[in-house]
Amino acid sequence: AQSVTQLGSHVSVSEGALVLLRCNYSSSVPPYLFWYVQYPNQGLQLLLKYTSAATLVKGINGFEAEFKKSETSFHLTKPSAHMSDAAEYFCAVSEAGTASKLTFGTGTRLQVTL
Amino acid sequence: NAGVTQTPKFQVLKTGQSMTLQCAQDMNHEYMSWYRQDPGMGLRLIHYSVGAGITDQGEVPNGYNVSRSTTEDFPLRLLSAAPSQTSVYFCASSYSLGRPEQYFGPGTRLTVT
Repeated sequence: AQSVTQLGSHVSVSEGALVLLRCNYSSSVPPYLFWYVQYPNQGLQLLLKYTSAATLVKGINGFEAEFKKSETSFHLTKPSAHMSDAAEYFCAVSEAGTASKLTFGTGTRLQVTL
Repeated sequence: NAGVTQTPKFQVLKTGQSMTLQCAQDMNHEYMSWYRQDPGMGLRLIHYSVGAGITDQGEVPNGYNVSRSTTEDFPLRLLSAAPSQTSVYFCASSYSLGRPEQYFGPGTRLTVT
């Protein structure tokens, strides 16, 4: 069984500040890991994915995440927040070798202030 | 490509009514899934399919049926709607095991009264 824990249901940062959204996972087999972003009243958009290649993964909109097996973590970062980054972010895990069964965290709402 | 499309966008049902949420993708994706999103709970997997004619249950399958007669379509049926099924429903698809990232539709907001 897999699970995902996102620490902090709400995170607030100033525009231009570092964004750090935390994700820890548990999986009994090698995982695939994903970050998705959801803007109000929209579907989910893929930010980035880890599928056992490079441990530092770069995604869209300047986001990146690092897979740390020893810490079972996949934290999302962005060096400088922009107002347009305000949204809800979801971390998700699936078993390596599957393509249709994601387990999601409960989400982190990012607020960006002036 | 339209990507993943879902209809309707909004629906209100009375308890006991049945309905079908439609999902279609035009990306020739093999894998398709249905999730429901509830506040504070993230998204939970209802049913999924690994190809035409093959479906399986996810985490919260009770009260829902699916079928996959074509690669493109993956409808979700609510058999007898209950207020606990009030939620936002998302359909998603992915191309292959080598490209497992899922692409999501815009969602259907369902209210059961």
